[in-house]
Amino acid sequence: NAGVTQTPKFQVLKTGQSMTLQCAQDMNHEYMSWYRQDPGMGLRLIHYSVGAGITDQGEVPNGYNVSRSTTEDFPLRLLSAAPSQTSVYFCASSYTDRGTEAFFGQGTRLTVV
Amino acid sequence: EDKVVQSPLSLVVHEGDTVTLNCSYEVTNFRSLLWYKQEKKAPTFLFMLTSSGIEKKSGRLSSILDKKELFSILNITATQTGDSAVYLCAVEILNYGGSQGNLIFGKGTKLSVKP
Repeated sequence: NAGVTQTPKFQVLKTGQSMTLQCAQDMNHEYMSWYRQDPGMGLRLIHYSVGAGITDQGEVPNGYNVSRSTTEDFPLRLLSAAPSQTSVYFCASSYTDRGTEAFFGQGTRLTVV
Repeated sequence: EDKVVQSPLSLVVHEGDTVTLNCSYEVTNFRSLLWYKQEKKAPTFLFMLTSSGIEKKSGRLSSILDKKELFSILNITATQTGDSAVYLCAVEILNYGGSQGNLIFGKGTKLSVKP
C-alpha cells in the first residue's frame, strides 16, 4: 500500500518558470489537499478538493492552481515561480465522511532562485 | 479568523523527563483536534480527539481535549532521544456542506531530548 506519493522530492526552479508537483493516493480518499511549510509558520493550506471535479482555495492560494480530474490524483501547478514560493510542499488525503486523520506524502522541497 | 496556538515553541529536556505540550484554539465549526509528530519528513499521526475529557494513550504518549476551555495537551513521559521532533497540533474544521474539513495547524513545538 503506497499511501500518498509525491513527486519530485526536490526541485530547483528559476524565477518565472512553471512546474507541476504531482500527488497521488491509492486509498480511495475523497479529500485531498496541498500545504506549504515554511520555517516558524507551521503548515498552511493552499488548495483542497472534496472529490473529483471539486476544488477550492485554502489560506494561501495565490500563485497556485489545482485540478482534480480523478479521485487518485491532485496536481499542484506553479504558474510563474517566485522566490516567495520557496518552501516544502506536502500533499495529504483523507476520507470525507468520517473523522479520520490525514495521511501525508513525503514532501517536495522547492527552491526558486 | 480561525487560529491554533501551540506553546512552547521549543523545549529542551533530558532523557527521562516528562513534558507537556499545549495547544489552544479558536475556530468555528470544530470537528476534531489532531496531534502529529514530524521528524525529517512528513507528519505522522499520533492522536485524534473529538470528545472532552477522554484521554487517549499510546505507550508513553497521552493526550486530552477540553472543548469548554478550547485546548488540548500532549504528554510524553520518560522521554527518549527518539522523541526529538516537532509536534504539530491541528484542528479540523467543517467546510461547506458539513463534509470533511480543512486542517488549521499551529506552528509546532520543537522538542529536543538530550541524552
